[in-house]
This record gives sequence, structure tokens and C-alpha cells, in this order.
Amino acid sequence: AQKVTQAQTEISVVEKEDVTLDCVYETRDTTYYLFWYKQPPSGELVFLIRRNSFDEQNEISGRYSWNFQKSTSSFNFTITASQVVDSAVYFCALSALAGGSYIPTFGRGTSLIVHP
Amino acid sequence: AAGVIQSPRHLIKEKRETATLKCYPIPRHDTVYWYQQGPGQDPQFLISFYEKMQSDKGSIPDRFSAQQFSDYHSELNMSSLELGDSALYFCASSSPAGGQGYTFGSGTRLTVV
Repeated sequence: AQKVTQAQTEISVVEKEDVTLDCVYETRDTTYYLFWYKQPPSGELVFLIRRNSFDEQNEISGRYSWNFQKSTSSFNFTITASQVVDSAVYFCALSALAGGSYIPTFGRGTSLIVHP
Repeated sequence: AAGVIQSPRHLIKEKRETATLKCYPIPRHDTVYWYQQGPGQDPQFLISFYEKMQSDKGSIPDRFSAQQFSDYHSELNMSSLELGDSALYFCASSSPAGGQGYTFGSGTRLTVV
């Protein structure tokens, strides 16, 4: 079975603060994919990043960075110098070859509120 | 670039009515996934199709059915609607390898009154 845990239900910060969203996953597969999606108030799911299990390189994209650590089964997401437009629900997801096909499993999401 | 298209964007139905949601995947994507996201919940997997055949089944109620057509678009048919079916329904598509990425549509917001 595969599972994604986002322990932080809601995070509230003031603009320009840095914030890290935690994601811990469980899977027995050695080949898997991890994702982060952003869901703004408008409701759509916006793809942010995909990482496969063989690539532990951290990644930076503008104000966003991701820290993948297989040793702790974590794939954390940091927003530097947060902005009001970053306010959204962020989902971490895992896709592994469970049952013969890849089906993304989502965490419960972390609601990020950035105050001006 | 073309994205996953879902229609309608919003739908209001009464209890016991039926609804049909449509999903048009990204060209050359042959796998379609349906998810249901209740208020304040994470998306829950319902069902998926690969090459027009059902490939996996999640927590899809028996009142719901789905299929993928020859042009790879998919429809989710929902009958005997209940108030609890009110949710955001997402469709996602992926390339044959699956793990290479899933692109989600903007969702259909179904409200059952």
C-alpha cells in the first residue's frame, strides 16, 4: 500500500517569510514518483514538480525548492519570500506501481495562508 | 500547449437525477483517471482507463460508471445522485509510462441539491 502524509493542515505566514511544507510517504516499491500540486481558491490542480525515486537531487525553481530524502521518505517543499498569491492548498502525491499500474495517491493537503 | 479539457465546469443537479461529466485528455495520452474531491478533502481516485479499457478501480460507487471512447475521451456517468456526491470531479491524463506525469483538468464542480 502507498500512503502520503502531510502533517501540517494549515500554515499561516506573513508575506516575505520562508515556509516549508512537509511531505512523508510510504511505499514498498523501489520505483515511484513524487509530485507537488497547488490548488488555488479557483479549484484547479496546478502541477508544480515531479521527482522519480532514482533522482535525489534537490531542485530549485525561482522561489520554490524541493528537498527529496529517501532515507527519511520525505519530499519537502519550501517557498522562499512568500507572497499573497502563494495562498493555496498544496498537495503532495505519490505514484507507485501498486497493483500493476501507477495511480497517484494524494496527501490530505496543507492550506497555506500568506498575509500581506 | 493543449491541456486536459473537462466539461461542464459547473453542474447543478437535483437528488436522484443523473449527470454526465466529460474529459478530453491531452493528445497522445492514452490513460485517463477520474478523481473526486469533496469539500476540504484530498482527491480520491475513482477509476482509470488505458487504451479504452478499465485499468483500475478505486472508491467509485456502483451508481457511477465510466468509459473511454475510441478518441480517448472519457465520460463519467452518475445516476441516482445524492447530496454527498457534491464535489469537484477531476480528470487527469498521462502518457503510456504513467509515472512521467499527470496533467489534471480544471475540474467539474457538481452540486446536488
